Amino acid sequence: AQTVTQSQPEMSVQEAETVTLSCTYDTSESDYYLFWYKQPPSRQMILVIRQEAYKQQNATENRFSVNFQKAAKSFSLKISDSQLGDAAMYFCAYLWGSQGNLIFGKGTKLSVKP
Amino acid sequence: DSGVTQTPKHLITATGQRVTLRCSPRSGDLSVYWYQQSLDQGLQFLIQYYNGEERAKGNILERFSAQQFPDLHSELNLSSLELGDSALYFCASSVAPGTGNTEAFFGQGTRLTVV
Repeated sequence: AQTVTQSQPEMSVQEAETVTLSCTYDTSESDYYLFWYKQPPSRQMILVIRQEAYKQQNATENRFSVNFQKAAKSFSLKISDSQLGDAAMYFCAYLWGSQGNLIFGKGTKLSVKP
Repeated sequence: DSGVTQTPKHLITATGQRVTLRCSPRSGDLSVYWYQQSLDQGLQFLIQYYNGEERAKGNILERFSAQQFPDLHSELNLSSLELGDSALYFCASSVAPGTGNTEAFFGQGTRLTVV
């Protein structure tokens, strides 16, 4: 069965600094998708970034970028120039197959210090 | 605003009771997913519907059931409620049934508290 592991329950970063959140996953599939979702105190789940496994190029979205290592089954999220509004729970998620349901990690709580 | 509407936002009920959670997907989205978020289990997929038909099942208890109606809104029915069913229940919708290029949009969730 596919699993997603986030080994950092909590992380802290200084405003304007860079932080990296870790995620590893286990799958026997070769074609799948990986996501990072942000859940602020409002509880809304917001898609931050998406990576297709067949693409070698790492995805980027403004201050957010990923380091996708397919062989190592690793998918980390880098947040540059951290802002107070980045404080939230971050979930790594995996998707495979035609159903479309996501498998989530346990999450990492990110705090941003002013 | 994701365009996915969930009602109610909060629900407090007693053990043994039955509740219904409602979800209206984004306009044009045919696929609806239900997830449960609890402190001990994290975010878990419950069930998916596509255009009125059940498409995939996850860790959904037999006491729980769902359906998607012709107008594409969905309802999640939870019965014989137990304290452990207290959780945040999310609905998400997408256009197609699970291509990774199709983003899943989440509602704000229904916070269920069983007392």
